[in-house]
Amino acid sequence: NAGVTQTPKFQVLKTGQSMTLQCAQDMNHNSMYWYRQDPGMGLRLIYYSASEGTTDKGEVPNGYNVSRLNKREFSLRLESAAPSQTSVYFCASSGGQTPKLNTEAFFGQGTRLTVV
Amino acid sequence: AQSVTQLDSQVPVFEEAPVELRCNYSSSVSVYLFWYVQYPNQGLQLLLKYLSGSTLVKGINGFEAEFNKSQTSFHLRKPSVHISDTAEYFCAVPTMDTGRRALTFGSGTRLQVQP
Repeated sequence: NAGVTQTPKFQVLKTGQSMTLQCAQDMNHNSMYWYRQDPGMGLRLIYYSASEGTTDKGEVPNGYNVSRLNKREFSLRLESAAPSQTSVYFCASSGGQTPKLNTEAFFGQGTRLTVV
Repeated sequence: AQSVTQLDSQVPVFEEAPVELRCNYSSSVSVYLFWYVQYPNQGLQLLLKYLSGSTLVKGINGFEAEFNKSQTSFHLRKPSVHISDTAEYFCAVPTMDTGRRALTFGSGTRLQVQP
C-alpha cells in the first residue's frame, strides 16, 4: 500500500531557480492538496484540486502553480524560488463525494525544501 | 471562517502520566473536528474524528477526545502515555472556502514524553 508518494524528499535550491514537486496517490481519490508546514504555523493550504481537471487556490498560493495531470497525480511548481518558500511541503488526498467522507485526508511523507 | 486554536505549543510529560492537549474551535455552522498526529520526519495521519453522534470519540493508540459544544472545545486525552507517543499533534476543521474538502489546521502541540 503506497498511499501518497511524494518526490523528492529533500531539495536545496538557489534563489530564482525553478522546480516541480511530484505527488501521486493510488487510492483512487478525487481530491488532492498541497500544504506547506512552517514552525509554529501548522499546515497551510497552497492549492487544491477537487477533482481531475480542476484546481483552486488555497490560503497561500502566491509563487506557486499546480497541475492535476490525471486522477492520480498532482504536481506543485515553483517558478522562481525565494527564501520565503523554505518549508516542508506535504501532498495529501481524500476521497468520497460528500464533505464528511472527503475530509479524511491521507498525507505523503513530505518534501523538505531549502532555498538559499 | 472556521478556525482552531491550540493553546499549548509544547507539552512535556513523564511516561505513564495522563495528558490533555487542548483545542478550541470557532464555527457558525455544523462542526466536524479532527486530530492528526505527525511522528518525527513523517507525514500526518488521522488519530480520530468527530462528525456527529456521541461526543466522546475514541481513536487509535488509546487516544480519545471529547466534543464540547458549549465550550467550543475538542480536547485530546490519553490516560497513560508512552515514549512512542512523542510527536506533534494537530487539531483541524474543514475549510469552508474549499467546500469542506481541505482542512484548516491549528498551529500544533508538540508532545514530549520523558522516561
